Amino acid sequence: EAQVTQNPRYLITVTGKKLTVTCSQNMNHEYMSWYRQDPGLGLRQIYYSMNVEVTDKGDVPEGYKVSRKEKRNFPLILESPSPNQTSLYFCASSDMGQWHPSEAFFGQGTRLTVV
Amino acid sequence: DQQVKQNSPSLSVQEGRISILNCDYTNSMFDYFLWYKKYPAEGPTFLISISSIKDKNEDGRFTVFLNKSAKHLSLHIVPSQPGDSAVYFCAASDNNDMRFGAGTRLTVKP
Repeated sequence: EAQVTQNPRYLITVTGKKLTVTCSQNMNHEYMSWYRQDPGLGLRQIYYSMNVEVTDKGDVPEGYKVSRKEKRNFPLILESPSPNQTSLYFCASSDMGQWHPSEAFFGQGTRLTVV
Repeated sequence: DQQVKQNSPSLSVQEGRISILNCDYTNSMFDYFLWYKKYPAEGPTFLISISSIKDKNEDGRFTVFLNKSAKHLSLHIVPSQPGDSAVYFCAASDNNDMRFGAGTRLTVKP
């Protein structure tokens, strides 16, 4: 079954304690990205990756890091989480159809609370 | 600066009637547009898309219209069903990335 898997689904952590949210896809997609969803702001892109070892900033990259060492995995790293990073996070992957991302498949989301 | 805007946070329609969800964009480099549907506690799922070389695309009850000169697209759902109640996100992509609107919550009343 084609899917994007995020872990964990729920996480409560304290300010400053480093954490990683994992994302894995089994569709051999080149393009992967991370979004955060906040009320009234919709989905805002944090980082994206067009292929292995190729990553770039989205709209709201501050406070986040990513890596793309393998095609299937795209972890999101918060080195020093702060309360304003409390949000619902989604990982997505898609083909690079006609030189742009096509239909994206999303993970089920990770609800992060930073206290 | 939001490049993709959905100005209506919510929409309520009666079952069987038409639902029209609107989306505006500012970046003329966008050349591919998509609609996603999201239920609570799930990730968004792809619904329908349209390339900038077209002005209409249909898939069953769902039709997307694109007006490039106005930088506007809309999603029509006919007839609307209670199971269509969800948050709908408009998205636009260019060569590099995909940008999303803030979403419109559609409620279809029986």
